Amino acid sequence: NAGVTQTPKFRILKIGQSMTLQCAQDMNHNYMYWYRQDPGMGLKLIYYSVGAGITDKGEVPNGYNVSRSTTEDFPLRLELAAPSQTSVYFCASSPTMSANQPQHFGDGTRLSIL
Amino acid sequence: DQQVKQNSPSLSVQEGRISILNCDYTNSMFDYFLWYKKYPAEGPTFLISISSIKDKNEDGRFTVFLNKSAKHLSLHIVPSQPGDSAVYFCAASALQGSSNTGKLIFGQGTTLQVKP
Repeated sequence: NAGVTQTPKFRILKIGQSMTLQCAQDMNHNYMYWYRQDPGMGLKLIYYSVGAGITDKGEVPNGYNVSRSTTEDFPLRLELAAPSQTSVYFCASSPTMSANQPQHFGDGTRLSIL
Repeated sequence: DQQVKQNSPSLSVQEGRISILNCDYTNSMFDYFLWYKKYPAEGPTFLISISSIKDKNEDGRFTVFLNKSAKHLSLHIVPSQPGDSAVYFCAASALQGSSNTGKLIFGQGTTLQVKP
């Protein structure tokens, strides 16, 4: 039972490079989320999706793009990496968007932009 | 504008004693609160939650108390065990009726260390 799987676990990028963080879930959840966690801070919502083909911005969407072509996958793309995007990125999923059905998180991708 | 605050970055307690982690919020539209636990190099995992219609919810060694008038909640762990050493995040959401509906707003986290 894999749950939410994120790849890669670690990555170092140079300023201006681009990359895609992968997220896949096997629980058939409609709702998926991307968060970032900076040191000493809580998780902040970047983007979320309520189903295949439907995405919306969260609290900190600038510099990121997402797509949701299938229920299982929700990749996050950084087009022009900047040092401010150095962070730990978490993907999560839930069956509904109601908070009383808690989100399930992946183990994160630690990204450094140098 | 930090809507959910955990003002204690860290807490250290002796094994067997009580751990009390605190969380304050500012948005009166929040009506559902959750605690997540996070070990190093892992994602957060759901621990316990409480609806605003209750003032207490208990699950084994873990109890969450909610004081709506003070906009304050706390997580009690009794007795504390070394395996409880982790970062604990408080999160809040609005079940309905606001722009935050369904979205989780997290506090900064409190690192709990339980000493054997």
